[in-house]
Amino acid sequence: DVQLVESGGGLAQPGGSLRLSCSASGFTFSSYTMHWVRQAPGKGLEYVSAITSNGGSTYYADSVKGRFTISRDNSKNTLYLQMSSLRAEDTAVYYCVKDPQDGALTGYFDFWGQGTLVTVSS
Amino acid sequence: SYVLTQPPSVSVAPGQTARIACGENNIGSKSVHWYQQRPGQAPVLVVYDDSDRPSGIPERFSGSNSGNTATLTISRVEAGDEADYYCQVWESSSDPHWVFGGGTKLTVL
Repeated sequence: DVQLVESGGGLAQPGGSLRLSCSASGFTFSSYTMHWVRQAPGKGLEYVSAITSNGGSTYYADSVKGRFTISRDNSKNTLYLQMSSLRAEDTAVYYCVKDPQDGALTGYFDFWGQGTLVTVSS
Repeated sequence: SYVLTQPPSVSVAPGQTARIACGENNIGSKSVHWYQQRPGQAPVLVVYDDSDRPSGIPERFSGSNSGNTATLTISRVEAGDEADYYCQVWESSSDPHWVFGGGTKLTVL
């Protein structure tokens, strides 16, 4: 079975940094584009970032561009999100999400992790 | 850039049919995907590419898309269908964006 387990969330100060990890299993991680999607408390879903299977291409929402960096280590089946210059509005549950088709961007998401909460506050 | 508009809430009695709309100018030219999020849980894909269902999703869930409105239809609604539902599209370009609607809270009366 596909499993995506996020970690690394917690409390960070405004202007600070945090790195999220997502450990993947149950599928050939190195073949799939992976994503981060977030959800502020009581709010809707917001797209954050994507990275293609070999890490060759990355994409970011305008709200995080220049502050967040997505990366992956296919030898460790792990996805990362390095978050810097954090703001209060970055407070959210961050979900690690899988693309449904190997080797391509398909435009939607077929499996979500349970998420990790990031709180930005002084 | 697409802005997907959903009604904040929809209410329906058990056994009836729920319809959740997702509006945007010419959304019919895009593929629309739908997610169910029960309280305290991660989202689950229920419809993709306008009207296809992933394995394990009941036939009661169906989708359509035409003109300026995409619709998720849930037939014979059950108490367990009470959840937030989100539509989503992909703007594929040199700078692709994945866009979500604001979400609709489905209440089963």
